[in-house]
Amino acid sequence: DIQMTQSPSSLSASVGDRVTITCRASQGIRNDLAWYQQKPGKAPQRLIYAASTLQSGVPSRFSGSGSGTDFTLTISSLQPEDFATYYCLQHGTYPWTFGQGTKVEIK
Amino acid sequence: QVQLQESGPGLVKPSQTLSLTCAVSGGSITSTDYYWTWIRQLPGKGLEWIGYIYFPGGTYYNPSLDSRLTISLDTSNNQFSLSLTSLTAADTAVYFCTRCPRGYFGPGSMDVWGQGTTVTVSS
Repeated sequence: DIQMTQSPSSLSASVGDRVTITCRASQGIRNDLAWYQQKPGKAPQRLIYAASTLQSGVPSRFSGSGSGTDFTLTISSLQPEDFATYYCLQHGTYPWTFGQGTKVEIK
Repeated sequence: QVQLQESGPGLVKPSQTLSLTCAVSGGSITSTDYYWTWIRQLPGKGLEWIGYIYFPGGTYYNPSLDSRLTISLDTSNNQFSLSLTSLTAADTAVYFCTRCPRGYFGPGSMDVWGQGTTVTVSS
């Protein structure tokens, strides 16, 4: 199975901060990567697909980049509603696998 | 706008079979534009891909669950289902049904999720 190593596992940040989360795949996955945001008690919501394409309706402060094995999710200016847990998903190779998550907390 | 809704028992005994259903509204499961997928989230832990089905009935399962898993389509009721046998406590999780758009080379990532249903395996 492809291992998705997500870092950091948690971070504390303030409103307005720039936040970067990374995901590294143990093998190349082209751009078959998505990013999800999950709030407590809710289903994940897709933010980014195909590594860098913004999901319709998602604010433009979210962006994704990368290809192959190294990927990044960036929040350009953290807003109060962005405090949540973020996951990456690779769907380039079976079985599909998720990163372990990054919890973004208020500083 | 398509919506997904899971249903099933909240509590199942060890060694029994879990049966979950996902009702699809606002779209048809016979569409060849989508794959219908199950994901689970283990308590306090991350997410696990279970498998998918696409019309008219092709499937792909996580090898870790393959021997115990069946995913099926019910076109009459516009829903799809999961059956997982020989349950243990390790199968306790929140189960989500999701939709994956078809991409160039197969399914893309999940774009629509149900709200999830909690399943506890305990005697």
